[in-house]
Amino acid sequence: KQEVTQIPAALSVPEGENLVLNCSFTDSAIYNLQWFRQDPGKGLTSLLLIQSSQREQTSGRLNASLDKSSGRSTLYIAASQPGDSATYLCAVGETSGSRLTFGEGTQLTVNP
Amino acid sequence: ETGVTQSPTHLIKTRGQQVTLRCSSQSGHNTVSWYQQALGQGPQFIFQYYREEENGRGNFPPRFSGLQFPNYSSELNVNALELDDSALYLCASSLVISADTQYFGPGTRLTVL
Repeated sequence: KQEVTQIPAALSVPEGENLVLNCSFTDSAIYNLQWFRQDPGKGLTSLLLIQSSQREQTSGRLNASLDKSSGRSTLYIAASQPGDSATYLCAVGETSGSRLTFGEGTQLTVNP
Repeated sequence: ETGVTQSPTHLIKTRGQQVTLRCSSQSGHNTVSWYQQALGQGPQFIFQYYREEENGRGNFPPRFSGLQFPNYSSELNVNALELDDSALYLCASSLVISADTQYFGPGTRLTVL
């Protein structure tokens, strides 16, 4: 059974700092990995999707890497802003279009 | 093109009651998945529907059931509500069953007293 763990559970940083969120998964036979953002009480917004054959994806100030063999992914946020404050969730898909297995998330607070 | 919508936004029920949650998929999407997200946890997969048929189910009891209609909208029904069913229920649609990208709705917050 796939298990996804995210560290840290919560993170508070001053505005402008670069930061890294970590995600690990127990079964390396994944199809893809996604990072989502969730604002309080709201649905999920997809940030980055990495296919199992890829090593990283970038979108603006966000960069996600994937090391499938070691079961790890990182989300790097450059020059953090107060608007980045949210919960960040990592999810793995084991086949195309299949169910997603989520971690418990990292709650990020960026202080002005 | 409209996004995924869910109704109602919030709902309060008492233990033992039944509830129906609704989801309208993004236009043209034929696959919908439902997730349960307890407070402080990540979402957990309940089940997926593709062209009106269940296509995969997570570790949830049979009192969680669903429907998908010809227009690809969907319902999640929960019978004999328990306190632990209190959660945010999310639906996600995708264009085709093999699509990597799922589009999530805003969720329905269910509170069971």
